[in-house]
Amino acid sequence: SQTIHQWPATLVQPVGSPLSLECTVEGTSNPNLYWYRQAAGRGLQLLFYSVGIGQISSEVPQNLSASRPQDRQFILSSKKLLLSDSGFYLCAWSRSMDTEAFFGQGTRLTVV
Amino acid sequence: GIQVEQSPPDLILQEGANSTLRCNFSDSVNNLQWFHQNPWGQLINLFYIPSGTKQNGRLSATTVATERYSLLYISSSQTTDSGVYFCAVGRNDMRFGAGTRLTVKP
Repeated sequence: SQTIHQWPATLVQPVGSPLSLECTVEGTSNPNLYWYRQAAGRGLQLLFYSVGIGQISSEVPQNLSASRPQDRQFILSSKKLLLSDSGFYLCAWSRSMDTEAFFGQGTRLTVV
Repeated sequence: GIQVEQSPPDLILQEGANSTLRCNFSDSVNNLQWFHQNPWGQLINLFYIPSGTKQNGRLSATTVATERYSLLYISSSQTTDSGVYFCAVGRNDMRFGAGTRLTVKP
């Protein structure tokens, strides 16, 4: 069966520090991968999605970037965090664009 | 991009009551899912339902793709049903509505 791992679960980082969140999927190949952010008490905003290695689509201009160095690995990064980057970050995978998506446990990021 | 609207934004029920949550979307889609977000933030898959009707225990969902809406029915609600329910739709990606916050009181 397929599983998705996301870490760390919580993270407190100072303003201006770098960020690296990692997401990996097991039990499938060539998945579609997604990064979402959820601000407190609000819905999920799609940040990035990837249909293959090195293929990243960005949805909104922001202080973040994403990379897919391996087939089942998706990384969310920032060179310098802002206070506004605080939120709950969720990684998801699906077999294709029109199939069911499954989410990781999420990373709660607080920028102080 | 596709707009997704969920209603009502908040819903308070007594245990045992039934409820209907609605999701309207602005364009044709080939992907529609309902999720329940638990208090720890985890998104639980409820239904993958781009069209038709499905049932799972006390929950059921119907999507009328031609009229661009989906409904989630919760019958005989329990306190454990509390949380936020999200609808997500898309063609090449997946966009979320703002959610319905459900509170079930004992």
